[in-house]
Amino acid sequence: GEDVEQSLFLSVREGDSSVINCTYTDSSSTYLYWYKQEPGAGLQLLTYIFSNMDMKQDQRLTVLLNKKDKHLSLRIADTQTGDSAIYFCAESIGREYGNKLVFGAGTILRVKS
Amino acid sequence: NAGVTQTPKFQVLKTGQSMTLQCAQDMNHEYMSWYRQDPGMGLRLIHYSVGAGITDQGEVPNGYNVSRSTTEDFPLRLLSAAPSQTSVYFCASSALAGAGNEQFFGPGTRLTVL
Repeated sequence: GEDVEQSLFLSVREGDSSVINCTYTDSSSTYLYWYKQEPGAGLQLLTYIFSNMDMKQDQRLTVLLNKKDKHLSLRIADTQTGDSAIYFCAESIGREYGNKLVFGAGTILRVKS
Repeated sequence: NAGVTQTPKFQVLKTGQSMTLQCAQDMNHEYMSWYRQDPGMGLRLIHYSVGAGITDQGEVPNGYNVSRSTTEDFPLRLLSAAPSQTSVYFCASSALAGAGNEQFFGPGTRLTVL
């Protein structure tokens, strides 16, 4: 089955690192994504990782993938108030529905100054 | 490029009314889709299209129709609105179908059905 789970809320202080965790169930996922949604806006792709990779770094963002445990994490270094948003983990189910993304419920990140 | 655009941004309907949510993209993308976002849940796929003239159902298609007469446009029709359709609707597009093709999302339409 397809299911993606995330913790609902994370609060950090400005300048600290944030780590948002996600677990997924479909072992055939080929791509895993992190999207950011700011209030009243659509989803913005932050980064993604291919399933044969363990880690991907992109400036302040680090994605770690543990395929054995089906666990994905997003680390934001030096978190800023502008990082306050909802972060969605998603897996790509390409074998049906064309290019379907299965989303988690989202993690609300609150950054305190 | 305007990317993916959606209209209207907000809409209030009465139960039983019909309406069309518009979605357009100017990136010549083949794949387009509609999701709904409900509180505490991830986005769920309503309908999708892999090219002009081709549409298919997603996970939660009941109460919605779509058409794809052009590559650019992918309208979503609510036939007879129900309170359960109160949600935020997102349109997305990608160059091609298949995993790994980045999907671009529109800003969303917030729909309330009374």
